[in-house]
Amino acid sequence: GQQVMQIPQYQHVQEGEDFTTYCNSSTTLSNIQWYKQRPGGHPVFLIQLVKSGEVKKQKRLTFQFGEAKKNSSLHITATQTTDVGTYFCTGANNLFFGTGTRLTVIP
Amino acid sequence: EPEVTQTPSHQVTQMGQEVILRCVPISNHLYFYWYRQILGQKVEFLVSFYNNEISEKSEIFDDQFSVERPDGSNFTLKIRSTKLEDSAMYFCASRRLQNTGELFFGEGSRLTVL
Repeated sequence: GQQVMQIPQYQHVQEGEDFTTYCNSSTTLSNIQWYKQRPGGHPVFLIQLVKSGEVKKQKRLTFQFGEAKKNSSLHITATQTTDVGTYFCTGANNLFFGTGTRLTVIP
Repeated sequence: EPEVTQTPSHQVTQMGQEVILRCVPISNHLYFYWYRQILGQKVEFLVSFYNNEISEKSEIFDDQFSVERPDGSNFTLKIRSTKLEDSAMYFCASRRLQNTGELFFGEGSRLTVL
């Protein structure tokens, strides 16, 4: 069956440092979505990428969809304590969520 | 802003008991989902529902589970004869379109099976 893996599983950064999480699917995706889940909270939609090679930016967050539409990345520039949480990727049909990357930001 | 609401926020039950978790999706949404998240782990898909029918279900969603839309607003997940390993956070989600667009999650129902 389809698998969606993310690396790293955990990341601890000093506030102000950059952060990147990578998402890899075993199958080609029609689109990919990213969600953020704060500790004790529920997943919240961040963005959807559709086109091969697509890059989208949201303030300090940059999202990229791979050329083969099997991988994606989320990069945060100059992390802040508000970025703390777990970041999940998921394919279009949302049947498979990635394993998640838990980000801790040390003030 | 419209939101998905779930009740109860926390349910404690004895092993073997039946539990019903309730969700009110956003009113103009057509696609409904239940997910499970065991503490500290990833979000796992259980079932999707459209037009009063199950669209997809995972291997987790066995005969122990059922879903229902009893009226125009509620969407329920029933777990029969709960087991210890059913302890988890259960999230309901909804969206307007199929396979695209934002999935709106409720705040979740934490189920503890003793």
